Parts: sequence; structure tokens; C-alpha cells
Amino acid sequence: EAGVTQFPSHSVIEKGQTVTLRCDPISGHDNLYWYRRVMGKEIKFLLHFVKESKQDESGMPNNRFLAERTGGTYSTLKVQPAELEDSGVYFCASSQGSNTGELFFGEGSRLTVL
Amino acid sequence: DAKTTQPPSMDCAEGRAANLPCNHSTISGNEYVYWYRQIHSQGPQYIIHGLKNNETNEMASLIITEDRKSSTLILPHATLRDTAVYYCIVRSTLGTYKYIFGTGTRLKVLA
Repeated sequence: EAGVTQFPSHSVIEKGQTVTLRCDPISGHDNLYWYRRVMGKEIKFLLHFVKESKQDESGMPNNRFLAERTGGTYSTLKVQPAELEDSGVYFCASSQGSNTGELFFGEGSRLTVL
Repeated sequence: DAKTTQPPSMDCAEGRAANLPCNHSTISGNEYVYWYRQIHSQGPQYIIHGLKNNETNEMASLIITEDRKSSTLILPHATLRDTAVYYCIVRSTLGTYKYIFGTGTRLKVLA
């Protein structure tokens, strides 16, 4: 069974540019989460999808970040325009419907904003 | 903010048991204790979780105190590949079930 896959694994962009990160959850997983870790800080929650609906987006830092999950399958996280402080590793995770189920994390997308 | 407190680092000799403590004194009745680990810069990996009973799987054992205010993750025979940051997370079964990560414990297994 394929795990959670994220693309790209590493992206280097200039400040002010746009980047789109993609996450493909495990097939059949309704729950999809985005997390990020900026340098030296803890892993922080960004948002949670249940199928195509945003269940909780309380962790989204500002309106430069836009997450979508059209059709309830893969998800994208767009940063526009990117700022230096957006640099970090963005993790996606998915889980089945159970509220006690484990989260399966992807390997992350490392974003470097110059 | 994270609802757990863990020591920042620990060392363990290879082949010995690694006992990683976690304090979660404000845990409520509908919250589970989860343990994940992050090896180098990979994505976090699930280890085990429990509510109030002790749990064991092929990776580890989880011991939760009777009052549920603390727990211990036990890796029975640590290997060099167990060197990682271990996160103890309290997660609600209500709402969005999101995880709130703390700073974790950096476990170093020594040869």
C-alpha cells in the first residue's frame, strides 16, 4: 500500500514568488492534515480536511496560505507571495475516519525562501 | 500549546531498554496519549497510543499511570536505528482530533 506522498521534496524560491505543494494521502483516507516545522521550532498544525471540507484551519498563519482538496483526494497548499519566514518543512498526514486512528505522515516538502 | 512535558534529551545503551517519560497532568477523560517519533528529517512515525490501559505492540510498550497524569514509552531493546526525537502527544477524540506537538525527547542510542 502506498503511503502519503508529497511533492516536491524540496523547493527553493525567491521572496515574493508562489509555490504550490501537493499531498496525495493514502487511498481511502478521508482525513488530511497539513503541518509545518520552521527552523528550530516545533511541528505546528496548519489545517485539517475531512474529504473536501475544511474542518479546522485555525493553524493557517495568514491569508498568503491557501489549501484546497478538490474532490476529496489530493490536496494542495499554495503560498503566495512567499516570505522568508515561510521557510521550513511542510508535512502532510492522513488518517481513516476513526477519531482514534493513527496519522500517517509523508516525508515532507522542504521550502526554502531566499 | 502542547499539553505534555518531556525531557529534552536522553541517552540509552544499545540493547538496553529505553524508558521515555511524559507528563500530561491536565489530560482530560476523552484524550488519548499518542507517541510518534521523527528520525532525522523524515516525517513523524506512529509508535503507539492508549487511553488508560497499558498497551504493547511490536515496536514498544506504553505504560499509563492510574491517574493518567503521566506515561512512559518503553523500547525494550533499543538499537542504533531508534535514535530519533520522540513526541508524546495528547489528542482529543472531539473536534478535529489535531495533534499538538511539543518539543519532544531526543533519544540517542549509543553503541
